[in-house]
Amino acid sequence: GQSLEQPSEVTAVEGAIVQINCTYQTSGFYGLSWYQQHDGGAPTFLSYNALDGLEETGRFSSFLSRSDSYGYLLLQELQMKDSASYFCAPHTEGFKTIFGAGTRLFVKA
Amino acid sequence: DVKVTQSSRYLVKRTGEKVFLECVQDMDHENMFWYRQDPGLGLRLIYFSYDVKMKEKGDIPEGYSVSREKKERFSLILESASTNQTSMYLCASSFRDGGLGEQYFGPGTRLTVT
Repeated sequence: GQSLEQPSEVTAVEGAIVQINCTYQTSGFYGLSWYQQHDGGAPTFLSYNALDGLEETGRFSSFLSRSDSYGYLLLQELQMKDSASYFCAPHTEGFKTIFGAGTRLFVKA
Repeated sequence: DVKVTQSSRYLVKRTGEKVFLECVQDMDHENMFWYRQDPGLGLRLIYFSYDVKMKEKGDIPEGYSVSREKKERFSLILESASTNQTSMYLCASSFRDGGLGEQYFGPGTRLTVT
């Protein structure tokens, strides 16, 4: 079967660093994407990891370990505007992407 | 600037009605997707299409059908709307190879079935 696990909620302070973990089990695996969604908005793409290792894009970094079926999103220098839901999304066979329930990030002043 | 548009932001329909949700993308993407999003359940794939006139069932296709007559347009059809289809519906598109990476989402249609 297929499964996806990430924490339901994370709270952090403005200026801090937060890591959102993701473990997955899929039939076929091609890579892991991360999306951000603000309340009332559409999901927007943040990053994609096809290979093991760390990808950095500004304040955001994403990591993948294919052997561990594990990835994480690292957000640095947190800002209030980073309060949103974050989805890890493994890509599986046949162009399909699995989105879970996401992690709700609350950034406090 | 890439754009995915959906025909309505808010829609209210009665039980048993036939409902059409339309999605248009202007990026010449091969792949198009329909998801529904419900609190606590995240995004669930209803149907997707990787080419004109091609369609594949996602995880929850029951009660839905789709149509893709043109590359830029992907329609979701609720044959006979029911209250359990009240949800946020999101359309997305991607390049065929880029489908392994970035999907572009429309603003969503919040459908209420009464």
